[in-house]
Amino acid sequence: DTAVSQTPKYLVTQMGNDKSIKCEQNLGHDTMYWYKQDSKKFLKIMFSYNNKELIINETVPNRFSPKSPDKAHLNLHINSLELGDSAVYFCASSPGTAGANVLTFGAGSRLTVL
Amino acid sequence: ILNVEQSPQSLHVQEGDSTNFTCSFPSSNFYALHWYRWETAKSPEALFVMTLNGDEKKKGRISATLNTKEGYSYLYIKGSQPEDSATYLCASGPLDSSYKLIFGSGTRLLVRP
Repeated sequence: DTAVSQTPKYLVTQMGNDKSIKCEQNLGHDTMYWYKQDSKKFLKIMFSYNNKELIINETVPNRFSPKSPDKAHLNLHINSLELGDSAVYFCASSPGTAGANVLTFGAGSRLTVL
Repeated sequence: ILNVEQSPQSLHVQEGDSTNFTCSFPSSNFYALHWYRWETAKSPEALFVMTLNGDEKKKGRISATLNTKEGYSYLYIKGSQPEDSATYLCASGPLDSSYKLIFGSGTRLLVRP
């Protein structure tokens, strides 16, 4: 039973489309994150939610909108997709703050914008 | 240092060799240091979390040390095996933002049989 699951694993779409990536964790963690793996392979924090409340919103274009219907789910919706949005997006969760607690990552969702 | 930096970028060793890599982080704004192991086509898996200066952690043949005053951590692998081949990521949790981890770009280790 996967601890942090993301869907879809692969997503190929045209510029200008709107798409969503879903994330669910069954670990009972309070905090969930979206990370983007950039072109230099760095993992960059995008958003962090704690108990459905937005905690971190790093300078991400407002075309990206996270939604957390409950603490086990954190979805990422992207409007008007651009070529530069092509990347691997990782969802993660932790039992509390990221400092003292390890993150459990999902397998990643590779988004390709044509 | 404003970012988390890892060196070397990549490392090729022979099976049985011991190896180590470095992670440098801002010591002035430090709360925690994480190490993750990331195999190709998988997700990063946590190895260690350290918070105190002088911390040492060990898991099997892998160990890590932490120096918060000078802002560095070492990861050691004793007697490397081909299955140790992976990218090793470190991440620093800053004091002023407990929900954020800043990742380095990783050290890619390849262990030849």
